[in-house]
Amino acid sequence: DGGITQSPKYLFRKEGQNVTLSCEQNLNHDAMYWYRQDPGQGLRLIYYSQIVNDFQKGDIAEGYSVSREKKESFPLTVTSAQKNPTAFYLCASSITGGEAFFGQGTRLTVV
Amino acid sequence: GQSLEQPSEVTAVEGAIVQINCTYQTSGFYGLSWYQQHDGGAPTFLSYNALDGLEETGRFSSFLSRSDSYGYLLLQELQMKDSASYFCAVRASGSARQLTFGSGTQLTVLP
Repeated sequence: DGGITQSPKYLFRKEGQNVTLSCEQNLNHDAMYWYRQDPGQGLRLIYYSQIVNDFQKGDIAEGYSVSREKKESFPLTVTSAQKNPTAFYLCASSITGGEAFFGQGTRLTVV
Repeated sequence: GQSLEQPSEVTAVEGAIVQINCTYQTSGFYGLSWYQQHDGGAPTFLSYNALDGLEETGRFSSFLSRSDSYGYLLLQELQMKDSASYFCAVRASGSARQLTFGSGTQLTVLP
């Protein structure tokens, strides 16, 4: 079945650690996105990519990094520079940017 | 950049009709989409408008007026399961396919 897979579902990070969230899609979509969602809030764009080896910063890119070495994969690294990383992280993909398909999300907690 | 405004909360009774409005500002506009998100879940796509007018999909309809930078989602025959957050999202024009979300409208359906 086609879809987007995010892993892990829950992730705990110690202060000062970098962690990487995985996002894989087999929908053959060119565009991929990372969003952050805080409780009761909307989706804020972190990074997006339209093709392999190319990506752009969104509204809240500071403290995050991404790579797009393969069309299917768009991992997000939350670095120690991100001072408040506890949030729900959502990955999405799209052909045109009109209809986007989301993974089930990763809940990151700083311990 | 892009910005979107939608009401934070809407309450309606089962069987009623509710309209959720969305106004947007963007440097370049390609289309407006709508997503539903239940508590703890990932957003799911509902509807997309690239041209002016009404798009109907079952009980849900979406409207766009490009000249007014305005759209709405219309939910008919409300059911309890429609209680969720609803987000509008704008895709900017150009090849970057940036997809920016509004802050969401929490819909509560009462019996």
